[in-house]
Amino acid sequence: GQNIDQPTEMTATEGAIVQINCTYQTSGFNGLFWYQQHAGEAPTFLSYNVLDGLEEKGRFSSFLSRSKGYSYLLLKELQMKDSASYLCASMDSNYQLIWGAGTKLIIKP
Amino acid sequence: TAGITQAPTSQILAAGRSMTLRCTQDMRHNAMYWYRQDLGLGLRLIHYSNTAGTTGKGEVPDGYSVSRANTDDFPLTLASAVPSQTSVYFCASNPGTGVDTQYFGPGTRLTVL
Repeated sequence: GQNIDQPTEMTATEGAIVQINCTYQTSGFNGLFWYQQHAGEAPTFLSYNVLDGLEEKGRFSSFLSRSKGYSYLLLKELQMKDSASYLCASMDSNYQLIWGAGTKLIIKP
Repeated sequence: TAGITQAPTSQILAAGRSMTLRCTQDMRHNAMYWYRQDLGLGLRLIHYSNTAGTTGKGEVPDGYSVSRANTDDFPLTLASAVPSQTSVYFCASNPGTGVDTQYFGPGTRLTVL
């Protein structure tokens, strides 16, 4: 079957680093996406990984291990505006996305 | 450019009534999608369209229908609404060329009483 798991909620402190993990089981895997969704808004694209390794984009980095079915999103120098839900989604053989339930990240001052 | 627009922003609907949620994109994307998002659950695909004139069923299609008469518009119709269809509905699109990022509309919050 196809499945995505990520923690429901995480709390971190402003200025710190947080890692949000995601495990997946997807047939015909075509890559792993991370989206950010602020409360009451639409999801917006953050990153895409298809090869093993780390992709860095400013304060955000995303990592993929295909052999382990595992990804993480790393957020550095946390800011209050990073308070949001982070959605992990894997792309299947039909190029459709299978979504996790999202991780709500709470940033405390 | 506007990207993707959805209408209405929110709606309260009596059970048994019909309703059409509108979605329009101006990016000339081939593929369009309708999702519902419920608390504690991931985005679930209702219907999709890979190109104008074609549609397909997603994970939760029952009670919903779609059409794709042209590239820009992808309306979602609830023929006879039920309370379990209370949700936030997102329309999304992408170029439809393979591994593409999906771009989302602002969503429609629907309450069925």
